[in-house]
Amino acid sequence: GAVVSQHPSWVICKSGTSVKIECRSLDFQATTMFWYRQFPKQSLMLMATSNEGSKATYEQGVEKDKFLINHASLTLSTLTVTSAHPEDSSFYICSAEGPGSAKNIQYFGAGTRLSVL
Amino acid sequence: AQKITQTQPGMFVQEKEAVTLDCTYDTSDQSYGLFWYKQPSSGEMIFLIYQGSYDEQNATEGRYSLNFQKARKSANLVISASQLGDSAMYFCAMREGRKGSARQLTFGSGTQLTVLP
Repeated sequence: GAVVSQHPSWVICKSGTSVKIECRSLDFQATTMFWYRQFPKQSLMLMATSNEGSKATYEQGVEKDKFLINHASLTLSTLTVTSAHPEDSSFYICSAEGPGSAKNIQYFGAGTRLSVL
Repeated sequence: AQKITQTQPGMFVQEKEAVTLDCTYDTSDQSYGLFWYKQPSSGEMIFLIYQGSYDEQNATEGRYSLNFQKARKSANLVISASQLGDSAMYFCAMREGRKGSARQLTFGSGTQLTVLP
């Protein structure tokens, strides 16, 4: 299947700092990527849909100024958690729709565990 | 109402036995897709199998098969010949018809599968 790379896999930061998470589609172009958040022992909740060359579409209740999404190329979307606070500590995971005949399938990155001190 | 319901928070199965993980869904769309993902403790989401609403045959991928019963709106995952490495959280997900931003996946609450030696 298609490979999605996510970096970093784990980050610890101080309260008030910003953290950038990268999501890359390897060997295929992804015009649409998705960002999810997952709390321990819970399911994935969609945060936003990232569209190449246009503004991201945020789900209700997700602060767009808090979670900045940039999809500047067909292979890269970034999520920046601005002025992070302990309540932002979570597991963040991205996905991309597969290429060609696999377009119906969403392939996920390995996720990023964010801990805000 | 929940769009995806997984009623089994935890399941145990003996190694080499088959196991069925339940999933029911709710949608008014005629066109939709159903997915199963595996999430080991490392956190990555691994795509297992996909069933389109118009697919007449049940999907199969190696040891995984999807028991699709459209009238009952169920999409159970069957894992044959369980292996210790199958121990993980399993999520059922649905993508509804292509309208607006409806391409995102909606996930169930997950089933934690433990394979016993």
